[in-house]
Amino acid sequence: GAGVSQSPRYKVAKRGQDVALRCDPISGHVSLFWYQQALGQGPEFLTYFQNEAQLDKSGLPSDRFFAERPEGSVSTLKIQRTQQEDSAVYLCASSYNRDTNYGYTFGSGTRLTVV
Amino acid sequence: AQSVTQLDSQVPVFEEAPVELRCNYSSSVSVYLFWYVQYPNQGLQLLLKYLSGSTLVKGINGFEAEFNKSQTSFHLRKPSVHISDTAEYFCAVSPGTYKYIFGTGTRLKVLA
Repeated sequence: GAGVSQSPRYKVAKRGQDVALRCDPISGHVSLFWYQQALGQGPEFLTYFQNEAQLDKSGLPSDRFFAERPEGSVSTLKIQRTQQEDSAVYLCASSYNRDTNYGYTFGSGTRLTVV
Repeated sequence: AQSVTQLDSQVPVFEEAPVELRCNYSSSVSVYLFWYVQYPNQGLQLLLKYLSGSTLVKGINGFEAEFNKSQTSFHLRKPSVHISDTAEYFCAVSPGTYKYIFGTGTRLKVLA
């Protein structure tokens, strides 16, 4: 597609519910990133994929967070047993090259609200 | 470790007036510097970047930024803003790997 597509655009989850957030990167982009943007904060790195390999998951806040990209294209970020502190906008970005100096294309994000 | 400070959370400015959005960073290693813009309900878009060379960099939509190593700053400027520039602006640094460290953002509100 023309850009990075994320779905759903908005998600309201009850505390304790599991959620799955989807990211469709730009076709041909081998690198894919997830960032978390809490209210009033800048985006913070969660995890990085090169093709299907998850090369860095150091930013995932807890073991309730899990990300996958099984075929090297679409990625899913899963949050188990959601907590109120998980409320944030989750941004996906992709790039043909892994290095930041080329710039990334970000999606519009999924706004997760845990009630 | 790196960090980014954006000193102003909100900046109101009248249309056609100049604007400066401030960004200071801290790093023990050389970094690349970036400005991203986020329009309402859209993803972040790269505005400009400093990798090396000339300290004055020009970006899209008439924006420019100046890298000042001694002051560890990378302030964003535009000589004349338009209503359409209303957005949130994020300064970011990267040590040249695949991670950005973003500031907390500055909301630019252009007034008619």
